[in-house]
Amino acid sequence: DAGITQSPRHKVTETGTPVTLRCHQTENHRYMYWYRQDPGHGLRLIHYSYGVKDTDKGEVSDGYSVSRSKTEDFLLTLESATSSQTSVYFCAIGMGHGYNSPLHFGNGTRLTVT
Amino acid sequence: SQQGEEDPQALSIQEGENATMNCSYKTSINNLQWYRQNSGRGLVHLILIRSNEREKHSGRLRVTLDTSKKSSSLLITASRAADTASYFCATDPNTNAGKSTFGDGTTLTVKP
Repeated sequence: DAGITQSPRHKVTETGTPVTLRCHQTENHRYMYWYRQDPGHGLRLIHYSYGVKDTDKGEVSDGYSVSRSKTEDFLLTLESATSSQTSVYFCAIGMGHGYNSPLHFGNGTRLTVT
Repeated sequence: SQQGEEDPQALSIQEGENATMNCSYKTSINNLQWYRQNSGRGLVHLILIRSNEREKHSGRLRVTLDTSKKSSSLLITASRAADTASYFCATDPNTNAGKSTFGDGTTLTVKP
């Protein structure tokens, strides 16, 4: 997708290991988001960022941390992966200037914790 | 907590028919957005309607918003097989700006 790249696209990891997912944007947008999507469900917000080093928690932030040291990169870390964190993770960028603007999503990272 | 809920969960129609899906929410909102998700892909933004608007159109899409009933509907006219996807509403609540909440979606199947 234009302007936003998630890596890796797929990852299998073992319970208890740390995992970092990367979201990279090329369009200098201020707002970035991490969501998770579980089968048959919508997206749930994990963390979001409203600028470099400015982040806030979403509704399912336990077990996750984020960092944004550069405008273009938003990293999601699972500090000690658990099987309940098996999911598809989507990064999104806010396309407007405000925090309630339309979101543009990456294609997701499918994470399996065994 | 889930703010938006779509109805029905699944909808199957023939090509050329209209598809209507609904979204209900619980608290006052700044805006409501509809997204489409094709299998294995990220969500794609379709349309945004603000709390002071009642209806918006975009091509074959028509969205209505009734803030008194806390509900919205998405109508896709003259559906095509390519419209087969899951559709989600997302609400941006007044009290939690910036934290858009998604429903579980309506899965639309359009048969050729």
